[in-house]
Amino acid sequence: ETGVTQTPRHLVMGMTNKKSLKCEQHLGHNAMYWYKQSAKKPLELMFVYNFKEQTENNSVPSRFSPECPNSSHLFLHLHTLQPEDSALYLCASSRATNEKLFFGSGTQLSVL
Amino acid sequence: KNEVEQSPQNLTAQEGEFITINCSYSVGISALHWLQQHPGGGIVSLFMLSSGKKKHGRLIATINIQEKHSSLHITASHPRDSAVYICAVGDSNYQLIWGAGTKLIIKP
Repeated sequence: ETGVTQTPRHLVMGMTNKKSLKCEQHLGHNAMYWYKQSAKKPLELMFVYNFKEQTENNSVPSRFSPECPNSSHLFLHLHTLQPEDSALYLCASSRATNEKLFFGSGTQLSVL
Repeated sequence: KNEVEQSPQNLTAQEGEFITINCSYSVGISALHWLQQHPGGGIVSLFMLSSGKKKHGRLIATINIQEKHSSLHITASHPRDSAVYICAVGDSNYQLIWGAGTKLIIKP
């Protein structure tokens, strides 16, 4: 148990659906991250929030929309995804942006 | 050439063997991370180090800044150590460069 909780664990959606991934941490961390992990590829940083402010958007398509309502919660809103977006989406948090990362278990997303 | 190279990509060993996983990088860093990912996705941070050596239980991580190289060692390996081990290097910000991972299988 890392203290970072992601829901759902698995998600299957069609290309026209809208869904959201949720991440929650009660570690008192100030930075939260979304990562994408595709098969046999290194982790790709998608978004970074530091003190609820988005500080990094790594050229992510607009069909991925992050939301950080407070320091403990992070969402990733998904709409009109493509099959190539199927991947494991991992949330992480850290006390500060240059400190040790704590990861959630991930959401395995399949886009049909 | 990737900025972070791990070797080997895959490693199968017998229970009890001493395991070494290597990570070489080509960029300037302030810290190097070793992480463990079990089947099912969850990632656990094992070490964050910027110099020398750190030990936690049966795991030891070393880094040589001059040679831009780090190693992760597992002593008395056990089947529950089977996982993907990932090296990531970062600067003073949150820009981590990730290795592709080393898949370790420990057979009983």
